[in-house]
Amino acid sequence: AQSVTQLDSHVSVSEGTPVLLRCNYSSSYSPSLFWYVQHPNKGLQLLLKYTSAATLVKGINGFEAEFKKSETSFHLTKPSAHMSDAAEYFCVVSASNRDDKIIFGKGTRLHILP
Amino acid sequence: DGGITQSPKYLFRKEGQNVTLSCEQNLNHDAMYWYRQDPGQGLRLIYYSQIVNDFQKGDIAEGYSVSREKKESFPLTVTSAQKNPTAFYLCASRGTYEQYFGPGTRLTVT
Repeated sequence: AQSVTQLDSHVSVSEGTPVLLRCNYSSSYSPSLFWYVQHPNKGLQLLLKYTSAATLVKGINGFEAEFKKSETSFHLTKPSAHMSDAAEYFCVVSASNRDDKIIFGKGTRLHILP
Repeated sequence: DGGITQSPKYLFRKEGQNVTLSCEQNLNHDAMYWYRQDPGQGLRLIYYSQIVNDFQKGDIAEGYSVSREKKESFPLTVTSAQKNPTAFYLCASRGTYEQYFGPGTRLTVT
């Protein structure tokens, strides 16, 4: 079975400070992991993906995530938050070639304080 | 420009009417998906299709129907049997690993 848990429904940080959005997963298969961002009333945009290559994955807009198998985690980080980062972020786990096994977390709303 | 288009962006219907949401992709992807998004619930899978003329129910298929007559198109019909149709609907297609999402259609039924 697969599942994904985003540990915080809301995160608030000040502009210019680091961002940490936490995601834990479980999977019976060798998983692929993704982070997507969604701005209000928009579709989801891929930030980064892990597909069994390098465990430290760099994405767009300065975001990165580290796949830690021992901790079953895939936390999203950014060194310095920008006002434009305010959005909802989704952690996603999928099993290779299983279209019915793409599981979305419930999302983390990131607020950026001026 | 490659991508996924959904139309219309906003849709209003009276209760008891069927309504069809459009999804088109020019990414040459075989797999396509429909999700429903409600506040605080993430995305829930309605239907998916891995190839033309074939589709599978997702977790919340009741009250919805789909067709996949062309690779590029995967329309979703919200029928009058769907008890709570008001929601944000997202269409996606899948490449080698990741999914690509359309801009969404917000459906309001009154």
